[in-house]
Amino acid sequence: QSVLTQPPSVSAAPGQRVTISCSGHRSNIANNYVSWYQQLPRTAPKLLIYDNNKRPSGIPDRFSGSKSGTSATLGITGLQTGDEADYYCGTWDSSLSGWVFGGGTKLTVL
Amino acid sequence: EVQLVESGGALVQRGGSLRLSCAASGFSFSRYAMSWVRQAPGKGLEWVSSIGVSGGSTYHADPVKGRFTISRDNSKNTLYLHMNSLRAEDTAVYFCARSVIPYGDYSYFYMDVWGKGTTVTVSS
Repeated sequence: QSVLTQPPSVSAAPGQRVTISCSGHRSNIANNYVSWYQQLPRTAPKLLIYDNNKRPSGIPDRFSGSKSGTSATLGITGLQTGDEADYYCGTWDSSLSGWVFGGGTKLTVL
Repeated sequence: EVQLVESGGALVQRGGSLRLSCAASGFSFSRYAMSWVRQAPGKGLEWVSSIGVSGGSTYHADPVKGRFTISRDNSKNTLYLHMNSLRAEDTAVYFCARSVIPYGDYSYFYMDVWGKGTTVTVSS
């Protein structure tokens, strides 16, 4: 069982908007910065969001991140079939002195 | 081009040992922390270990503490994961990832470049 909790799956139609939640604790999300990763089928993970809401160069502004208290959210607008992937949140856990990932959310674009 | 290439994955018997390597290129390896992350078949991502820029600080996840050791050789631009007492549950694809820790503050930690992974299979 993961330290960070994500919904196992979400789905939406092309062009629509979807959000993926990531719930944690004071020792991780509340006191540290959250990053999000996209893993397309049979590929390595890719950084989507860091520092809660910043996008690396090359990541379109359809992807956004936010954080409030012990929860973080990834938002994706203008959904495309190419966005079908597994999405993971992650952050440092000060109590564990280690990194923690969410269990991952599978996005289906119907 | 920034690149990470893992190697060393193999089929190994339970209780055996293995050393994974991650060759870095296209960036100043000695200026970045590094991490190992694994993914068991059909499962999610699991952080394994991280190491600071000089190798002086290391962190390991509880499931591998005492069995795995992360290390680096900055003269060779290479990251290692020494794996002992391997168990069936260590079977996974192992990714190395460049880790960014601005100001040396782990609260800002994130992983910005990933390798394609190397497969470790532990047979019982």
